[in-house]
Amino acid sequence: VQLEQSGAEVKKPGESLRISCKGSGYRFSNFWISWLRQKPGKGLEWMARIDPSDSNTAYNPSFQGHVTISADKSTSTAYLQWTSLRASDTAIYYCATHTGSRGWYEEWGGQGTLVTVSS
Amino acid sequence: QSVLTQPPSASGTPGQRVTISCSGTRSNIGSNTVNWYQQFPGAAPKLLIYSNYQRPSGVPDRFSGSTSGTSAYLAISGLQSEDEADYHCAGWDDDVNGQVFGGGTTLTVL
Repeated sequence: VQLEQSGAEVKKPGESLRISCKGSGYRFSNFWISWLRQKPGKGLEWMARIDPSDSNTAYNPSFQGHVTISADKSTSTAYLQWTSLRASDTAIYYCATHTGSRGWYEEWGGQGTLVTVSS
Repeated sequence: QSVLTQPPSASGTPGQRVTISCSGTRSNIGSNTVNWYQQFPGAAPKLLIYSNYQRPSGVPDRFSGSTSGTSAYLAISGLQSEDEADYHCAGWDDDVNGQVFGGGTTLTVL
């Protein structure tokens, strides 16, 4: 199982962004994918999860309305999208697979995707 | 501020046993299982312990997990220099309807 995340991004406040997480080495629809945030020097936060088999989603209330999670089974890729970035979105974002909606995070994406939001 | 509470740092000398605590509430640790992740600088976290005490294949038995009430514990025995890393506890929270994490504990091997 491998998760390959898209590269680092530098954006301005108010801009939109979509980052990606491509799965390989397994049947993409068999595992849920979550996105997690880690701010510099801080702990991890679960943001959202998706079941690629039917696109069933759930969001952490703290992130609901600010980000959108999606998945494309045909390309085995999950996405996390913002329509209007804030400086406080500066962080490393990880995708991770889990079995079932409540499962532990078994595989993680590489080194994550660093998103820097600055004017 | 993280939902689960961990000490920001811990330390020990080679060969020693170190325990890291993780405190939660009835809606998370008190009613659901706990997982632990190990993270080295510049790398993604890696699953270390799942379902309170289970070890994935390849994780040495020097690492062990336990719970008591609304707290969880990660014990590392026979401490080695390569154990220097950040350790994160996590678990399902019924109120959040998702996983919640501690702030992470940085382990230093003196």
